[in-house]
Amino acid sequence: DAGVIQSPRHEVTEMGQEVTLRCKPISGHDYLFWYRQTMMRGLELLIYFNNNVPIDDSGMPEDRFSAKMPNASFSTLKIQPSEPRDSAVYFCASSLTNEKLFFGSGTQLSVL
Amino acid sequence: GENVEQHPSTLSVQEGDSAVIKCTYSDSASNYFPWYKQELGKRPQLIIDIRSNVGEKKDQRIAVTLNKTAKHFSLHITETQPEDSAVYFCAASIHGNKLVFGAGTILRVKS
Repeated sequence: DAGVIQSPRHEVTEMGQEVTLRCKPISGHDYLFWYRQTMMRGLELLIYFNNNVPIDDSGMPEDRFSAKMPNASFSTLKIQPSEPRDSAVYFCASSLTNEKLFFGSGTQLSVL
Repeated sequence: GENVEQHPSTLSVQEGDSAVIKCTYSDSASNYFPWYKQELGKRPQLIIDIRSNVGEKKDQRIAVTLNKTAKHFSLHITETQPEDSAVYFCAASIHGNKLVFGAGTILRVKS
């Protein structure tokens, strides 16, 4: 198994633009998580899905952020419009249960 | 809200010495406590975990201890090596269904 696959690895965009981050979880994993990592705030859980259904989105910072999981093998995190304070590394993780998380390589987002 | 506090934020040890990182949590219902290692520019990776019905778990040079009464748990690395240098994160399950991470500890092993 190739593990959790995220794209793109790096994204540089201008303030106000729409950003879409993509994630393919490990096959068979029922849980998918989106985390954001910054120096100031560490690893923050944004949202997680169980069997493609959003369970807890209390970590989503504001309405500019949205996440979808249309099927068991694909999820997106969208920021519209993006702002410089959104600059961070965004990790997707999946797990068989809601415990042992396997992280993707992350997307380094820079909003200028 | 529920949180996990981690100490120290940085730790420097001599190769061969032991390193200890401590975490405290606030949710008395937490029952799962993993530790992740993140090397520079890489993804966090699970290195060891423990459940609330166990007081200690060991895997080669790493061990985790849990004190449920005091709501704290610790990571112990013995005979440290340069390749142990990384950022270590503790986490605790909150409301039984999601992980909250500590702020991380930068471990530097000097050779």
